[in-house]
Amino acid sequence: DSGVTQTPKHLITATGQRVTLRCSPRSGDLSVYWYQQSLDQGLQFLIQYYNGEERAKGNILERFSAQQFPDLHSELNLSSLELGDSALYFCASTRGSSLRELFFGEGSRLTVL
Amino acid sequence: AQTVTQSQPEMSVQEAETVTLSCTYDTSESDYYLFWYKQPPSRQMILVIRQEAYKQQNATENRFSVNFQKAAKSFSLKISDSQLGDAAMYFCAYRGGYSGGGADGLTFGKGTHLIIQP
Repeated sequence: DSGVTQTPKHLITATGQRVTLRCSPRSGDLSVYWYQQSLDQGLQFLIQYYNGEERAKGNILERFSAQQFPDLHSELNLSSLELGDSALYFCASTRGSSLRELFFGEGSRLTVL
Repeated sequence: AQTVTQSQPEMSVQEAETVTLSCTYDTSESDYYLFWYKQPPSRQMILVIRQEAYKQQNATENRFSVNFQKAAKSFSLKISDSQLGDAAMYFCAYRGGYSGGGADGLTFGKGTHLIIQP
């Protein structure tokens, strides 16, 4: 158990819909990262938050947004969903004070029909 | 931008034998970490081993060891006495960024699917 909690584990929805994925980082971790894992693109960095503020953006679509709340949990919002958004979405956390490893949640499997 | 390359999409090894997974990376940074993560069918990303770039000594964790060649920008993973439970996708990952700003998360390779033959 990495200590990072993601919900829901599985989600099936239709094109055009909006979903929210939730992540609770490990206790004490200030940095949260979101990654998308699809078969053809591998693991892609989406966005990073540090202590409530956006720190960096990767390959995140404009239809996607995220935020980190004062209690440090984070949410990834995916809207106007398309078939190609079907993927495994990982949240990872770290304290942010070193370059050591990231701790990953179990992921949220999104299927868009 | 940093890139990580895993040139072996799939590898197969007999149980109890040794296998080496390859990884190369490209960076202009001097301070960074390298990692191997394992992703079994359960899809959980599990850290296998880490290597600090400033350390010359290769990291070892039980049956797992790395061959870190900093000048060649190579970071291979050796698994000794392979076990059925080692079957998984293995991802090489790079973490740096403190010298250049921007995201300091992980950059992943495409992964190597490791099959263990009983």
